[in-house]
Amino acid sequence: AQSVTQPDIHITVSEGASLELRCNYSYGATPYLFWYVQSPGQGLQLLLKYFSGDTLVQGIKGFEAEFKRSQSSFNLRKPSVHWSDAAEYFCAVGAGTASKLTFGTGTRLQVTL
Amino acid sequence: KAGVTQTPRYLIKTRGQQVTLSCSPISGHRSVSWYQQTPGQGLQFLFEYFSETQRNKGNFPGRFSGRQFSNSRSEMNVSTLELGDSALYLCASSLEGRARDTQYFGPGTRLTVL
Repeated sequence: AQSVTQPDIHITVSEGASLELRCNYSYGATPYLFWYVQSPGQGLQLLLKYFSGDTLVQGIKGFEAEFKRSQSSFNLRKPSVHWSDAAEYFCAVGAGTASKLTFGTGTRLQVTL
Repeated sequence: KAGVTQTPRYLIKTRGQQVTLSCSPISGHRSVSWYQQTPGQGLQFLFEYFSETQRNKGNFPGRFSGRQFSNSRSEMNVSTLELGDSALYLCASSLEGRARDTQYFGPGTRLTVL
C-alpha cells in the first residue's frame, strides 16, 4: 500500500523568503503525486500534480515541485512567499487504477510580515 | 463551470442519531469520493462511487454508507453517531475516477456530534 510522509508539521517563513515543503512517498511503481492547499474552514485546492514526463512541475500561485524518483520525494517550492500563502499544505499520492488518494499529515505554513 | 458543492455546510447532532450529507459534483464528472478529516487522523478515504456503484472503500465501519444517483450526485450517511465522528467531511469529484485524474474538492460539511 502507498504512504506519504510530510516531516514538517509547522513551518514559519518571512514574507518574500523562499519556501520548500518536503514530501516523501512510498509506492512500488511510479505514483501519481499531488499537492493541495487548504485555507482555514475551506476545502482542498489543487496546486499541481505529477504523473509522467518532466520531473519539474509548475503549478498555480507560483508554486513548483520536483519529482525525484531516487529519493522518493516530491518537494514543493516557491521562490518568494506572500502573506496570503499561509495555509495548510497536503501532499497526496494516487496509485494503481483506483481514485483513492492517500494524504500526508500536512504542513502548516505561517508567514510573518 | 460550477465547482463541487456540499450541503449542509454545518451540522450539529447528538450521539445515536443519524445524518445524511449531500454532494453535487462538477458537471460531467462521474466519480465522487468522500474523505473524513480530523485533527487526530488527518485525511482518510471513506469510499468512491462511479456510475451509481461503490468501487472503492476505505477502512471505516459499516455505519458509514453512501450512494450515488444517476445524475452523479452523491450522499453519505452515518448511522448511530459517535463522538468520534465529529469531523470535516469532504467530497471530491473527478472525470472518470482514475488514479491520475485530478480530484476537485468541495468546501466540506463540518459535523459536530454532542
